[in-house]
Amino acid sequence: EIVLTQSPGTLSLSPGERATLSCRASQSVSISYLSWYQQKPGQAPRLLIYGASARATGIPDRFSGSGSETDFTLTINRLEPEDFAVYYCQHYGRSSWTFGQGTKVEIK
Amino acid sequence: QVQLQESGPGLVKPSETLSLTCSVTGGSSSDYYWSWIRQPPGKGLEWIGCIYYSGTTNYNASLRSRVTISEDKSKNQLSLTLRSVTAADTAVYYCARPSLRFFYGMDVWGQGTTVTVSS
Repeated sequence: EIVLTQSPGTLSLSPGERATLSCRASQSVSISYLSWYQQKPGQAPRLLIYGASARATGIPDRFSGSGSETDFTLTINRLEPEDFAVYYCQHYGRSSWTFGQGTKVEIK
Repeated sequence: QVQLQESGPGLVKPSETLSLTCSVTGGSSSDYYWSWIRQPPGKGLEWIGCIYYSGTTNYNASLRSRVTISEDKSKNQLSLTLRSVTAADTAVYYCARPSLRFFYGMDVWGQGTTVTVSS
């Protein structure tokens, strides 16, 4: 079973700054099946990135994903007020899905 | 555009069975994988299980002995049954659609339904 570990747990930044979020897999995974989600309080998660680096429909280009094998990164350039939220990475494999524990991006 | 709506009892007693429904509108429930995910209060997301259009299911190993996911194609509905619930099963329960277009990322989610396990 693949375990996804996200770091840091909380990231305190100001609007306009860059956020760098990490997701580490316990074993090498296919980049095709690594996704990122954003979740705001009281809302369902929203798909941001799939295939490790492709933006989902309607996602602004300040969001970008990268990485391979066991180390993946979500970068948010020039944080907007609406970007302060919790972010989860997720992996799909063999008809099952695994989520990381999440990183909270909060206003400094 | 596909939309999902979860429904079910907000309160379930310990040791009883939780039953939830996810209604699919704007598309057929027969076309995709469908998943259930839950989120305990203040915690992260936990994948519960999935059902494929063929009827094949797969479950989180930690819940496999207590969970059943099924589909009623005539009603375009998915169902989640969780037996012998405890307070640890208190959570917001979501249904979601993993899409091959997005390499099985989940692009459509319901709004979630809150379930509290308490006597």
